[in-house]
Amino acid sequence: GENVEQHPSTLSVQEGDSAVIKCTYSDSASNYFPWYKQELGKGPQLIIDIRSNVGEKKDQRIAVTLNKTAKHFSLHITETQPEDSAVYFCAASKNTDKLIFGTGTRLQVFP
Amino acid sequence: KAGVTQTPRYLIKTRGQQVTLSCSPISGHRSVSWYQQTPGQGLQFLFEYFSETQRNKGNFPGRFSGRQFSNSRSEMNVSTLELGDSALYLCASSAGHGNTIYFGEGSWLTVV
Repeated sequence: GENVEQHPSTLSVQEGDSAVIKCTYSDSASNYFPWYKQELGKGPQLIIDIRSNVGEKKDQRIAVTLNKTAKHFSLHITETQPEDSAVYFCAASKNTDKLIFGTGTRLQVFP
Repeated sequence: KAGVTQTPRYLIKTRGQQVTLSCSPISGHRSVSWYQQTPGQGLQFLFEYFSETQRNKGNFPGRFSGRQFSNSRSEMNVSTLELGDSALYLCASSAGHGNTIYFGEGSWLTVV
């Protein structure tokens, strides 16, 4: 069935360093790949998304890359700050009908 | 512009009872979907509604049901609650096929 694997499950970085989270999806028909940030006690907040007709997208310190052949997509956060600390989820879907989520990455940024 | 609004935010129910959760989507959004989040199973899709019709359904028992009203507001109902139904229930909305999905803050359900 549909599946999204996400690694690593936890990631600790020093403030100012970069963080990379990787996801692999199983359904080759997936064409939409959002990333969400979830802080304690809150709902997931969309931080960036990419569609299958684009290989890379950037928004300030955040970028996402997509490799359709390998069915991989990654989140890159540069110049990390303590407020980036949260749980990050990747997801995949076909036409945004139903999101299949990864298992989450807990990012800790130490000052 | 207001985001996705869910009520109630927190509730405690007893095993065997039923619960109804409410969701108001972002203005203009006609698609509403529901997800269950637990530490063990993560984020799992429950169902999605568009223009009052259920378009997609996840792998949950029939005790989980939902509906959407003509103003796009949605409710989900869980009957005969079990301890394992304790979770954060998240509502999300979008303008429809191919559009970005935005989540609400969720309803925390505890079953005792």
